[in-house]
Amino acid sequence: SQTIHQWPATLVQPVGSPLSLECTVEGTSNPNLYWYRQAAGRGLQLLFYSVGIGQISSEVPQNLSASRPQDRQFILSSKKLLLSDSGFYLCAWKDRDSLSGANVLTFGAGSRLTVL
Amino acid sequence: AQKVTQAQTEISVVEKEDVTLDCVYETRDTTYYLFWYKQPPSGELVFLIRRNSFDEQNEISGRYSWNFQKSTSSFNFTITASQVVDSAVYFCALRVTTSGTYKYIFGTGTRLKVLA
Repeated sequence: SQTIHQWPATLVQPVGSPLSLECTVEGTSNPNLYWYRQAAGRGLQLLFYSVGIGQISSEVPQNLSASRPQDRQFILSSKKLLLSDSGFYLCAWKDRDSLSGANVLTFGAGSRLTVL
Repeated sequence: AQKVTQAQTEISVVEKEDVTLDCVYETRDTTYYLFWYKQPPSGELVFLIRRNSFDEQNEISGRYSWNFQKSTSSFNFTITASQVVDSAVYFCALRVTTSGTYKYIFGTGTRLKVLA
């Protein structure tokens, strides 16, 4: 079965410090991968998506970057965090729902980042 | 523009009441998919339903029902006889195709509070 892992689950970082959030998927190959951010009261914002190793599409210009060094690994980074980077970061991959067979997004448990 | 609007930020109902969550979308694609996800307090998003743009049949699953109306670009979600366990944030999403890749665009979510 396929699973998606995110870590760390919770992170508190000072302004100006670097960031690395990791997402890995098991049980599949060549998945489409996505990073979303959920800021308080702002819904889910698509940040990056990737269709393969080294292929990253950015949705919103900002203080963050993404990389896909391996087929099932997707990393979200920042060189210097801002207060506005605080939020709940969710990794997702395009999965197939076991009941309906439909292509759906399956999400990880999320990483909650607080920048102080 | 391609976007999803969930105008209701928060709804409170008393247990056993029916409640409808609204979703309006915009897309230039002729083929697209619509989704509803539930985010309980734990934070992880749970897939509820997918509907494609060619299928306007309403769907019922237990206490949940969905009304897709292409003419008004709406995909509303009704919970019948609500329960406290239905309390969560509900997201409507639109899947479009960009340069051969699926992009999932989410609304800002509706927080549903079901009071005992």
